[in-house]
Amino acid sequence: SQTIHQWPATLVQPVGSPLSLECTVEGTSNPNLYWYRQAAGRGLQLLFYSVGIGQISSEVPQNLSASRPQDRQFILSSKKLLLSDSGFYLCAWNGGGNQPQHFGDGTRLSIL
Amino acid sequence: AQSVTQLGSHVSVSEGALVLLRCNYSSSVPPYLFWYVQYPNQGLQLLLKYTTGATLVKGINGFEAEFKKSETSFHLTKPSAHMSDAAEYFCAVSSLRANSGYALNFGKGTSLLVTP
Repeated sequence: SQTIHQWPATLVQPVGSPLSLECTVEGTSNPNLYWYRQAAGRGLQLLFYSVGIGQISSEVPQNLSASRPQDRQFILSSKKLLLSDSGFYLCAWNGGGNQPQHFGDGTRLSIL
Repeated sequence: AQSVTQLGSHVSVSEGALVLLRCNYSSSVPPYLFWYVQYPNQGLQLLLKYTTGATLVKGINGFEAEFKKSETSFHLTKPSAHMSDAAEYFCAVSSLRANSGYALNFGKGTSLLVTP
């Protein structure tokens, strides 16, 4: 069966520090991959999605970037974190098209 | 673009009572609709989905939703609430993006409180 892993589960970082969050999927090949951010009381906002290795689409201009170095690996990064980057970050995958997305357990990011 | 609106950011029901969480969608094409549940500090779990065909969709944990095109609604119901149903619920619609990718547009969520 397919599984999705995110780490770390929680992270506390100072303003201006770099960031790397990792997401991997097992048990499937060529998944579509997604990064969402969930801010308190604001629902989920799509940040990036990827339909293949090296193919990244950004939804909103921001301080973050994403990369897909391998088929089942999706990384969210920042060179310098801002206070506004705090939130709950969720990775998701699906088999493409309108298929349901399956979510990881998320990373709680706090910026001090 | 496709979007959903969830009416009521907080809903409180008594244990054993009917659960009704409202979702209305906006879509220029036949929508693909989803309900997800989120427990504290966890990811989202798929409850049910509507793609095509039968308009009454049954999901996990006794939940179901009915797609009503005339009302552009996809409300989530459960006949009898359990304490374990207390969570955040999200309605979502699939939306075509650039590069032929699809992603979900989520509502802002409804927090369900179940009282003894």
